[in-house]
Amino acid sequence: GENVEQHPSTLSVQEGDSAVIKCTYSDSASNYFPWYKQELGKRPQLIIDIRSNVGEKKDQRIAVTLNKTAKHFSLHITETQPEDSAVYFCAASIQMIGTYKYIFGTGTRLKVLA
Amino acid sequence: EAQVTQNPRYLITVTGKKLTVTCSQNMNHEYMSWYRQDPGLGLRQIYYSMNVEVTDKGDVPEGYKVSRKEKRNFPLILESPSPNQTSLYFCASSSIVWTLNRESLYEQYFGPGTRLTVT
Repeated sequence: GENVEQHPSTLSVQEGDSAVIKCTYSDSASNYFPWYKQELGKRPQLIIDIRSNVGEKKDQRIAVTLNKTAKHFSLHITETQPEDSAVYFCAASIQMIGTYKYIFGTGTRLKVLA
Repeated sequence: EAQVTQNPRYLITVTGKKLTVTCSQNMNHEYMSWYRQDPGLGLRQIYYSMNVEVTDKGDVPEGYKVSRKEKRNFPLILESPSPNQTSLYFCASSSIVWTLNRESLYEQYFGPGTRLTVT
């Protein structure tokens, strides 16, 4: 079946460094790729998303890139801060009339060391 | 305040005792979904609904039922809970966002979660 692989499962970086999390999806019909941040004990929250006809999107210190040919998409966080420490999930979704399926990656625990 | 609410937030129950977890949203969203979150497995979609009386299976629907009689509510029903349904459950709802070229993007908003333990 469809799946999304996410790497790494844990990532430690020094404050101020960059962090990159990568995901690979299997269903070529996927056309919407959101990233969620989940702090301990809280609900996932959308931080950035990208759709299939866009190669890159940036919002301040975070950016997402998408390579549809390779079925890869990545989250980039620059100038990391301690408050970036959380679990990050990628997801692939097929957005069309009649379906609302989301497949999530297994998560990356990011630790930003002060 | 725009929000998705779930009740109860915590529940400990025994095998076989039917239970319902409620989910309600006040944003007039058409789309709603249930997920379970387990360590190392991420979030997995159980069921989703695209409108009143329209529901469909996600990746892990076995052992669960849902209903969508009203737009704002989407309860999750466990007719005969088993220990392997011990998990953290999230409800989510989505709006349809139309961009200039008319493609639609569904931004999901999650509820606070329900931690269920089945003994």
